Amino acid sequence: TQLLEQSPQFLSIQEGENLTVYCNSSSVFSSLQWYRQEPGEGPVLLVTVVTGGEVKKLKRLTFQFGDARKDSSLHITAAQTGDTGLYLCAGALGFGNEKLTFGTGTRLTIIP
Amino acid sequence: NAGVMQNPRHLVRRRGQEARLRCSPMKGHSHVYWYRQLPEEGLKFMVYLQKENIIDESGMPKERFSAEFPKEGPSILRIQQVVRGDSAAYFCASSLSRDRGEKLFFGSGTQLSVL
Repeated sequence: TQLLEQSPQFLSIQEGENLTVYCNSSSVFSSLQWYRQEPGEGPVLLVTVVTGGEVKKLKRLTFQFGDARKDSSLHITAAQTGDTGLYLCAGALGFGNEKLTFGTGTRLTIIP
Repeated sequence: NAGVMQNPRHLVRRRGQEARLRCSPMKGHSHVYWYRQLPEEGLKFMVYLQKENIIDESGMPKERFSAEFPKEGPSILRIQQVVRGDSAAYFCASSLSRDRGEKLFFGSGTQLSVL
């Protein structure tokens, strides 16, 4: 059973466009993290959200945690080719970092 | 400050052999986590260790797999009598504490191929 569903699975857009990717679950998470993974490398943490309704910004990236702490979104403004990569969300069911549940990812391609 | 170091990066084993994967956490980190990424699947939690102790091994297969994190030296994930289904990327992560929101750092992974 996949607890975290990410959509879309694949996304190709032109440079300069905006996009949103989603991470949904029926489970409540104590925290949710977003990672980016390059081929042949481990995931790199982008952000952690812990409070329902929380919004965090990282330059052109905006992360939101749903009010009920069951879902999250990642919005990228004015996408650049450097944003190309695999984006993963991961939720923690317990109070700590252990045993994160990862989504299957959104593979983003930005076309110059 | 070096990141999480995993070695080897690539490991090829024949069916029935043993595989040993090593992970040196970031300096000062005493919490280590192992994840497995099968082709076309997401990362799956295997085990969580804190120096000399296994805290949670609920994601690890009951047979053939074991993990340790000794007082001195790297954490080791050991797979005995490997089978083709063990072929995957194995990632190690470390953190300073287990607190919610504590940053998790991943290594570059070990790609295990079983022939």
